[in-house]
Amino acid sequence: GENVEQHPSTLSVQEGDSAVIKCTYSDSASNYFPWYKQELGKGPQLIIDIRSNVGEKKDQRIAVTLNKTAKHFSLHITETQPEDSAVYFCAASIGRTGTALIFGKGTTLSVSS
Amino acid sequence: ETGVTQTPRHLVMGMTNKKSLKCEQHLGHNAMYWYKQSAKKPLELMFVYSLEERVENNSVPSRFSPECPNSSHLFLHLHTLQPEDSALYLCASSQYGYGYTFGSGTRLTVV
Repeated sequence: GENVEQHPSTLSVQEGDSAVIKCTYSDSASNYFPWYKQELGKGPQLIIDIRSNVGEKKDQRIAVTLNKTAKHFSLHITETQPEDSAVYFCAASIGRTGTALIFGKGTTLSVSS
Repeated sequence: ETGVTQTPRHLVMGMTNKKSLKCEQHLGHNAMYWYKQSAKKPLELMFVYSLEERVENNSVPSRFSPECPNSSHLFLHLHTLQPEDSALYLCASSQYGYGYTFGSGTRLTVV
């Protein structure tokens, strides 16, 4: 079945450093790739997304890149801050349903000051 | 009210109880979803409703029963649950699969 692999599972960086989280997906029909940030006691919050007709998208300190040939996509956070500490999930649309998402297992990012 | 609202936030129920989780979206979206989030596991898709029709039932046991009376409301009816069903249950909505927005979830404990 469809699946999304996410790495690393934990990531510790110093404030001001960059953080990169990588995902691979299996469904060649996937065309939408969002990223979510989940803080303790809250639901996942959409932080950035990319569609399959775009290779890169940037929003201030956050950027996402997509390589459809290799079925890879990555989240890049620059100039990390302590408030960036959270669990980050990547997701890919499931082709057969057209609207549902399948998620990676999450990356726990810790930013120390 | 804005976004996606889930009630209750916490629920403790016995294995013989019947309870319902409620979700309401105020975004004008046309699709709604139930996901289960357990420790050390990815978010698991349970049910998909698109334009108020169930389009996906991802091999979920019959002790979970969804209901979507209109495009803004989604329920998850629970009965005779097992302790392994304890988890965070998340509702989400989207517009044709884009702009996915999650609620804060219901933390369910089955005793």
